[in-house]
Amino acid sequence: GQQLNQSPQSMFIQEGEDVSMNCTSSSIFNTWLWYKQDPGKGPVLLIALYKAGELTSNGRLTAQFGITRKDSFLNISASIPSDVGIYFCAGPSGGYQKVTFGIGTKLQVIP
Amino acid sequence: SQTIHQWPATLVQPVGSPLSLECTVEGTSNPNLYWYRQAAGRGLQLLFYSVGIGQISSEVPQNLSASRPQDRQFILSSKKLLLSDSGFYLCAWSTGTGGYGYTFGSGTRLTVV
Repeated sequence: GQQLNQSPQSMFIQEGEDVSMNCTSSSIFNTWLWYKQDPGKGPVLLIALYKAGELTSNGRLTAQFGITRKDSFLNISASIPSDVGIYFCAGPSGGYQKVTFGIGTKLQVIP
Repeated sequence: SQTIHQWPATLVQPVGSPLSLECTVEGTSNPNLYWYRQAAGRGLQLLFYSVGIGQISSEVPQNLSASRPQDRQFILSSKKLLLSDSGFYLCAWSTGTGGYGYTFGSGTRLTVV
C-alpha cells in the first residue's frame, strides 16, 4: 500500500519561530490533507489540497501540494505555545474515502 | 451541525476480558465510519471502515471486530483482550459523497493490564 514519510518526526522550537515540515509519498496523490492532534484529543483537519502546485493558508498555517504530486509541505509562522501537538499528513488510500496517515511530526514550542 | 461522540474516554481492562467501544454520529445520514488505532501517541492505523448498516471491512487481521447496527452507530469489540490491544482508539466519519476530510471523535484510551 501507499506509504507516507513525514519529517522531521519531532522538533523543539522557540516561541515566535517559523516551522517547516514535509511529507513524501511512494506514489502520486490527487489530494493531500494536513491534520493536527492536540495531546489526548482526536486529530482535526487543518488544510486540504486538491491540485498540484496549490498553496493554501489557514491563519498562520500554509500548506503546499508539491508539483510532483508525491510531496506536500506545511509551514507555521510565528509559532505560539498552542501550536504544540502532532501534525499528520494524509492522502487517499483506495476507495470509500479511506485515508492513509503519515507517522506524524511532534511539535513542541518552548515559551 | 454534525457531531461525533465516543465513549468511554478511558478504559483499563484486564487481559482476557471483553471490550465494547461505541461511536455515534449526529446531524448527518449515511456517513462512512472508520475505526483507527494510535499506538504510542504516533501514527494512525486504520482498523475497520463501514459504508452502510451491517457493512464492515477490516484492514488488518487482529483480535478486534466491528459492527454497525444503526446508520450512525459504530461499535468496536473484542471477546478477549490482549496486552497488544492497548492504545488510543479513534472513531471518524466522512460524508461518503466526495472529499477526504474526516471528523474524528475525542478517542478512547485503552490500557490492557
